[in-house]
Amino acid sequence: SSELTQDPAVSVALGQTVRITCQGDSLRSYYASWYQQKPGQAPVLVIYGKNNRPSGIPDRFSGSSSGNTASLTITGAQAEDEADYYCNSRDSSGNHVVVFGGGTKLTVL
Amino acid sequence: QVQLVQSGAEVKKPGASVKVSCKASGYTFTSYGISWVRQAPGQGLEWMGWISAYNGNTNYAQKLQGRVTMTTDTSTSTAYMELRSLRSDDTAVYYCARDQGTNGVCDYWGQGTLVTVSS
Repeated sequence: SSELTQDPAVSVALGQTVRITCQGDSLRSYYASWYQQKPGQAPVLVIYGKNNRPSGIPDRFSGSSSGNTASLTITGAQAEDEADYYCNSRDSSGNHVVVFGGGTKLTVL
Repeated sequence: QVQLVQSGAEVKKPGASVKVSCKASGYTFTSYGISWVRQAPGQGLEWMGWISAYNGNTNYAQKLQGRVTMTTDTSTSTAYMELRSLRSDDTAVYYCARDQGTNGVCDYWGQGTLVTVSS
């Protein structure tokens, strides 16, 4: 399969923990990367590989994977975390292509 | 610091071609690939393809095969994406991004280039 499925919208109370998920067959073979995108801005890489954060990404962001599902967890969500989140991974079809999930709109209440 | 600076907005008529540039600085250009990703208005991210800045190898999204060409100029550390036979549904913001490998791990992004296709 060449699809990654994300919930369209998720909400979290300020300071609480939220998990954003990404499902797809390719995730059985490849790690997902996660991107945060705020309105009018380019995406920002927040998690890649098993659970790696680029420099400058707060440690409240973490990643995990099990079977065909990858998860991005924000522990203690802040108002500035309100954004669209996208996962991507290499496609498992053997064609060396990459696929993005449809994105999840995170609202911090 | 790593920077990717893209060319400016374009307005094209259906059937025309567009070529977007992406000038890299702050790192060894040939040590990474460049991915191109587009985003139609109000829509999600769509991976278009990847090019190795080391040897020019490319991988393209199947839906764009035959219409897209990605190239690099190592002398100027610039990547290019050309899209031909433009249609209205190609209207989008086009991003280049530094790719750590072939798995779509894009750690630095350009500012985006708006391409509008309209008659």
